[in-house]
Amino acid sequence: EAQVTQNPRYLITVTGKKLTVTCSQNMNHEYMSWYRQDPGLGLRQIYYSMNVEVTDKGDVPEGYKVSRKEKRNFPLILESPSPNQTSLYFCATRTWGEAGELFFGEGSRLTVL
Amino acid sequence: SQKIEQNSEALNIQEGKTATLTCNYTNYSPAYLQWYRQDPGRGPVFLLLIRENEKEKRKERLKVTFDTTLKQSLFHITASQPADSATYLCALDKTGANNLFFGTGTRLTVIP
Repeated sequence: EAQVTQNPRYLITVTGKKLTVTCSQNMNHEYMSWYRQDPGLGLRQIYYSMNVEVTDKGDVPEGYKVSRKEKRNFPLILESPSPNQTSLYFCATRTWGEAGELFFGEGSRLTVL
Repeated sequence: SQKIEQNSEALNIQEGKTATLTCNYTNYSPAYLQWYRQDPGRGPVFLLLIRENEKEKRKERLKVTFDTTLKQSLFHITASQPADSATYLCALDKTGANNLFFGTGTRLTVIP
């Protein structure tokens, strides 16, 4: 079964405590992306990756890092989380180079106190 | 700057009627446009894609139109059902980047 798996699904943390949200896909897709979703602002892209070792900033990259060492994994790193990073985060994948659909994970709800 | 607007934040409609959702964009020349459905607490799910050279696309009770002159897409659900209640998102690629950019969504409620 085609899957995009995110962990953790829910997390409450405190300001400044580094955390990583993992994303793994089993579809062999080149393209992976992270979005955050906030009320009234919709889905906003944080970072994306067109392939292994290739990453680029989206619209709201400040305060986030990513890495793409393997095709299937694309972790999102918050080095020093702040309350304004409280949000619902989605990882998504697709085949690069085609106008194909995005496959989304189930989301990770993060609260930073 | 580039902008995508979906007509309203919320739309209520009676069961059996046709729901029409609007997606307008400015300062874009997208090669294609996509529509997604999102249920509360879940990830968006792809519904339909329409390319710039297509006027209309259909899938079961869903119909999408794409007018590049008006810079607008319309998303129709005919014979709407309570199970169609969800948030619907339009998304466009950033020209040449193959990178999707989403609207804020319209929350549709179909009233029995």
